[in-house]
Amino acid sequence: QLQLQESGPGLVKPSETLSLTCTVSGGSISSSSYYWGWIRQPPGKGLEWIGSTYYSGNTYYNPSLKSRVSISVDTSKIQFSLKVTSVTAADTAVYYCARFVYYGSGSYYWDDYWGQGTLVTVSS
Amino acid sequence: EIVMTQSPATLSVSPGERVTLSCRASQSVTIKLAWYQQKPGQAPRLLIYGATTRATGIPARFSGSGSGTEFTLTISSLQSEDFAVYYCQQYSNGPAVTFGQGTKVEIK
Repeated sequence: QLQLQESGPGLVKPSETLSLTCTVSGGSISSSSYYWGWIRQPPGKGLEWIGSTYYSGNTYYNPSLKSRVSISVDTSKIQFSLKVTSVTAADTAVYYCARFVYYGSGSYYWDDYWGQGTLVTVSS
Repeated sequence: EIVMTQSPATLSVSPGERVTLSCRASQSVTIKLAWYQQKPGQAPRLLIYGATTRATGIPARFSGSGSGTEFTLTISSLQSEDFAVYYCQQYSNGPAVTFGQGTKVEIK
């Protein structure tokens, strides 16, 4: 059974770098139809897509966060990671990792699987 | 960037009522539109993809319609477990998705 588990510090100081890892178990990270993404949700607010990556290393970022975000994948560890630099209180959120199933522009099929999420607080 | 706008922000409904939620895209997403349900403390759950196709295990009281820029999620008879926040999400650019701001369905 597929499981995604986020891990990383729950508290980050302002101006520092937020680093999270998503460990995938029960499934392959290298399938051609899978994309791996990060989504966040500030307390009491809506969902914000941060970015997505493919096992080959191709990445896609939210334009509003692109200058501060990087996502990488480690196929040998079956993990993918998120880094957000120069964090402020506005980056306080529950961070979710997710697997997206997308077959390409010719298909409307979509499926996903989410981790349980991890709360990251930015505070001194 | 495609902007998704949902309305209304909050809907007060009694159990058993029919509910209609709206989602508008700033440009055409064809039918690459998904709907999610989120309950407090939980990750979002996929309800609908392809604008109209129910995801695995989703009850038939949930239905989606629309194409292009205008979409609707309908719950035919609201059950107690359906009180939640609902989000639309476009995936016309594949894994570069955007979400609407959500509609909260609360008990009247």
